[in-house]
Amino acid sequence: TQLLEQSPQFLSIQEGENLTVYCNSSSVFSSLQWYRQEPGEGPVLLVTVVTGGEVKKLKRLTFQFGDARKDSSLHITAAQPGDTGLYLCAGEGTGANNLFFGTGTRLTVIP
Amino acid sequence: GAGVSQTPSNKVTEKGKYVELRCDPISGHTALYWYRQSLGQGPEFLIYFQGTGAADDSGLPNDRFFAVRPEGSVSTLKIQRTERGDSAVYLCASSLDTLFEQFFGPGTRLTVL
Repeated sequence: TQLLEQSPQFLSIQEGENLTVYCNSSSVFSSLQWYRQEPGEGPVLLVTVVTGGEVKKLKRLTFQFGDARKDSSLHITAAQPGDTGLYLCAGEGTGANNLFFGTGTRLTVIP
Repeated sequence: GAGVSQTPSNKVTEKGKYVELRCDPISGHTALYWYRQSLGQGPEFLIYFQGTGAADDSGLPNDRFFAVRPEGSVSTLKIQRTERGDSAVYLCASSLDTLFEQFFGPGTRLTVL
């Protein structure tokens, strides 16, 4: 059974601090995606990582895919209140055409 | 609008009733997905359409759940004999084609009393 565990489940930090969110699995994924979801809205894709060891940067966000393609991390530098939301990692599901989501990390950035 | 839309945004029903949830995908997107998101969890895959046909319905929890997409555009998720455990946000997503980026709608929050 596929399982994507995210940690921490909840994170509350002050504006300006750095943070890292982890996504771990015992399964190998051909790619992993990171999404952010705000209340009352659907998830929005942030990035897709494909190659083991890959690092992608999106402004203050840095995404890394583990060498074995079983884990990923999201690092946010100098967090801002606008970063507040639910961060979800996702890999391809049992069918190639659906997504299998992680348990989520709810981030709150306090001004 | 240019995005995925879902109606209604909220639906409150009583246990045992029948409900229909509607999804309007982005125009031209051939792939359509339904997910269910329980409180505090990530979305869980339910069913995927490629055109008019359900290409993968392995995520439907039981035979009370059914979805259609008769003209390859709008889709309806149908739930019979609703149970309290069906309460969740039902998300719809569409993509240009298989394996392309999925764009999610805002969801329908279903509450079964």
